Amino acid sequence: GESVGLHLPTLSVQEGDNSIINCAYSNSASDYFIWYKQESGKGPQFIIDIRSNMDKRQGQRVTVLLNKTVKHLSLQIAATQPGDSAVYFCADLARLSGGYNKLIFGAGTRLAVHP
Amino acid sequence: DAMVIQNPRYQVTQFGKPVTLSCSQTLNHNVMYWYQQKSSQAPKLLFHYYDKDFNNEADTPDNFQSRRPNTSFCFLDIRSPGLGDAAMYLCATSRDKGLTGSPPGANVLTFGAGSRLTVL
Repeated sequence: GESVGLHLPTLSVQEGDNSIINCAYSNSASDYFIWYKQESGKGPQFIIDIRSNMDKRQGQRVTVLLNKTVKHLSLQIAATQPGDSAVYFCADLARLSGGYNKLIFGAGTRLAVHP
Repeated sequence: DAMVIQNPRYQVTQFGKPVTLSCSQTLNHNVMYWYQQKSSQAPKLLFHYYDKDFNNEADTPDNFQSRRPNTSFCFLDIRSPGLGDAAMYLCATSRDKGLTGSPPGANVLTFGAGSRLTVL
C-alpha cells in the first residue's frame, strides 16, 4: 500500500549547523509533496512544497530535494537555530475520485537543536 | 489575522462521557478536516467536509461524528470516549478539495493549534 516514511526518528544538531531530514515514499505516481513543521503543543505548519516536475525548491533557509528515481525527498535547513526544534513531517498527495486529494503523512522526525 | 481556531485547547473527560470539540475558521475555505494525532505519531485523517458534503475515512470508528452547520464552523463529537481516544485532535482547512493549485502552496492545509483530549 501507499506509505510515506522517514529514515530517522530523531535528529540532533548543533546550533548553526545544517540539518538534513530524509523521507521515503512508496507511490511512484505521487506528484506533490509537502513538508510540515510541528512545534510542541501546536498544529503542523506548512514549510515548503515541491511538485514532481522539479527536483529542487528553495525557500528561506530551507531547501527540498526530490529524487524520483529512488523515491526520496529531503528537507535541508541551513544554519539551524533553536527555533527550528520541532517534529518535521513529510506528506504526499493521494489522488482520490471526484477530484478529492488527501495528504498522507509520514511518521515524523524530531529535530533537536543544541546550543 | 485569518486563522483556524480550536476550542477547547485542553479537554478532560471521563470514560464514556460524550465530548464535543469545536473548530472555526476565518479563511472562508471550502474544506474542513478533522485529524487525530496520538503521541509521537503522524496526524491521521478522520473525515472531512467539502462544503456540506461529508466524507468519512473507511477506518474511522462510528464513535466519531462530525457536524458542519455553516462554512465557518465544524464540530467533532466523540459519543463514548475510550482510553484509546486520548489524543490531540487537529482541525484543518483548505481552499478546495484538490489541495494543489497556483501559486504552489496556496491550497495546502492550514491547521489549528489542536485540542488535546484526556480520558480518565
